[in-house]
Formats: sequence, C-alpha cells, structure tokens
Amino acid sequence: GAVVSQHPSRVICKSGTSVKIECRSLDFQATTMFWYRQFPKKSLMLMATSNEGSKATYEQGVEKDKFLINHASLTLSTLTVTSAHPEDSSFYICSAPDRGRNQPQHFGDGTRLSIL
Amino acid sequence: EDKVVQSPLSLVVHEGDTVTLNCSYEVTNFRSLLWYKQEKKAPTFLFMLTSSGIEKKSGRLSSILDKKELFSILNITATQTGDSAVYLCAVGLNRDDKIIFGKGTRLHILP
Repeated sequence: GAVVSQHPSRVICKSGTSVKIECRSLDFQATTMFWYRQFPKKSLMLMATSNEGSKATYEQGVEKDKFLINHASLTLSTLTVTSAHPEDSSFYICSAPDRGRNQPQHFGDGTRLSIL
Repeated sequence: EDKVVQSPLSLVVHEGDTVTLNCSYEVTNFRSLLWYKQEKKAPTFLFMLTSSGIEKKSGRLSSILDKKELFSILNITATQTGDSAVYLCAVGLNRDDKIIFGKGTRLHILP
C-alpha cells in the first residue's frame, strides 16, 4: 500500500488563489521530504528540500515566496503555491526517503494543479 | 553541475521486441542509480543499483550499472503494451538524500 500520501490529487482554481498541497509519510518518519514539479512530457524537476523543524532548501530559480514549504512534523510537509497564476499549472509530486527500507524514495501520487 | 542523460528520448517498437534504454551520468557524491516507470501518476520504483556489473532482474526487466563508464542500461524483453510508459533514470546522491532525474525515455509498444 501507499506509504506516502499526497492530497489533493487534483485542483482547479482561479488565478490569484493560493493552493496548499499536503504530503504525509504514513508509516515512517521523514525528516526530509522533496517537492518536484513536472511539466507535460518532461522529467521531474526538484524544486526544494523540505526539512523538519527548519527552513526549506530551494533549488536555483525556484521562488521561495511563491512556493512556501512547511515541514512542521516528522510525517507532514506542505507546499503552498501562493497567488497562483496559469503558468503555475503543473504536476507537483512529493517524495520522502525511508532510511529503514531498501528503497531510496517513496513518491506520493502527485497533484495536478490547473489555474484558470 | 550534476546531470543524468537518457537516450533515446522516445522509442516505438512492436509487441514482443526487446528494448534497451540508456542512462549516463556525471555527478559528485554518487550513491546509487535508480530506474523508475511512470505512467499517469507518480513514478514507480523498478531498480536500485549501487555496484558495477551486478545485474538486477525482475521478470522481463533487467538492469546493470557500469560505475567506471558512468552508465546504466535497462532491458525489457518480450515487450507488452502494458510496458508503454516513461522510464526515468535517476541518481541518488550521498548528500541530503537528493535524487537527480534524467529527462526520461518515452516508450510506446505497438500491439
């Protein structure tokens, strides 16, 4: 079964809205989680590393004020797309490393965000 | 700059054919090489390779890593239409548990 739960799976909203996406590790603790963005027919692009209890680390070119990340507990990270615009429409995926299992990352099912 | 390069970017074959997907990498702090299959949602894990020359197999899929040449291949034998997907190669780094993805190979199997 799923070990990382991502919610919601699909969001459609108007331009200017802020959208929050949740990523939960279900049966393990994740001090680190990763947020990716994927454009149609493109690969996953790492946006930021979410660190429990401290600030997220953003990749070059990713706007911190646009994509707010909060990792308040060992099982939950949230990504908030603030004042979303149509160019923010994309597929967002989170992942978490599970150091207890022999698999480097567990991925959520992704969130398809459409901004009208 | 760390990079992962996959080839071909897209491939169309007939059911029953065998395909080989390629992945080369240049990274610092290499830990592992990973293969994923992505259909409509998030990637599903296929293989993790850490040692050169040891083939990993799962049914009709197999993969091997060459750490000297910084290269890996993913083989799929007797392909089926259900193998149609994007196959992603990624490299796991020692620092921060990061994974760097290649652009993927879009594989389409014709019936």
